[in-house]
Amino acid sequence: GAGVSQSPRYKVAKRGQDVALRCDPISGHVSLFWYQQALGQGPEFLTYFQNEAQLDKSGLPSDRFFAERPEGSVSTLKIQRTQQEDSAVYLCASSWTGGGGGGNQPQHFGDGTRLSIL
Amino acid sequence: QKEVEQNSGPLSVPEGAIASLNCTYSDRGSQSFFWYRQYSGKSPELIMFIYSNGDKEDGRFTAQLNKASQYVSLLIRDSQPSDSATYLCAGGVGGKLIFGQGTELSVKP
Repeated sequence: GAGVSQSPRYKVAKRGQDVALRCDPISGHVSLFWYQQALGQGPEFLTYFQNEAQLDKSGLPSDRFFAERPEGSVSTLKIQRTQQEDSAVYLCASSWTGGGGGGNQPQHFGDGTRLSIL
Repeated sequence: QKEVEQNSGPLSVPEGAIASLNCTYSDRGSQSFFWYRQYSGKSPELIMFIYSNGDKEDGRFTAQLNKASQYVSLLIRDSQPSDSATYLCAGGVGGKLIFGQGTELSVKP
């Protein structure tokens, strides 16, 4: 497929469990972004990679959240010791570049992972 | 105050009318602006992006940017029921997008 691919589409976990969410960006896209979207709200930035380098992780809500992109392609967002407030849709997006100090390139989103913490 | 503000709506327009969606932003460092459409339960889909002051047209869609007033808008001409969705405005700051809360648009047949 040509788009951003995320898995799983749905994840249900018990409070306290660890979860891992996967994102496979559009081929050739240098930048990869993770967002969290609560019901009825716009997406909130979590973190951003350019190739394998994590350039901005200012949006990660706590040290329970960790993201990696070791080979500059697929990325994993891990949430440890999940809490009920972690329930949300986690969106991954990719773009050719991040834009840095200039204009940002358009970001293309995957279908998201809907995470429910019981 | 959120960095990107949108009226949450819902905005209701009749089929064939012009829908006008508005957005203001507070960070003058934002250089680029994006409009995404999001159907219920689906991911955001890029509609338009604009970097320079003025208007940018693409089919039935026109994006307008006024950096002095820190104002971005999206006009949808000849609105169709299939345009009914939530429209998200986003500003690019550094490498990331800052989104508004979205405006729900309903186009009535």
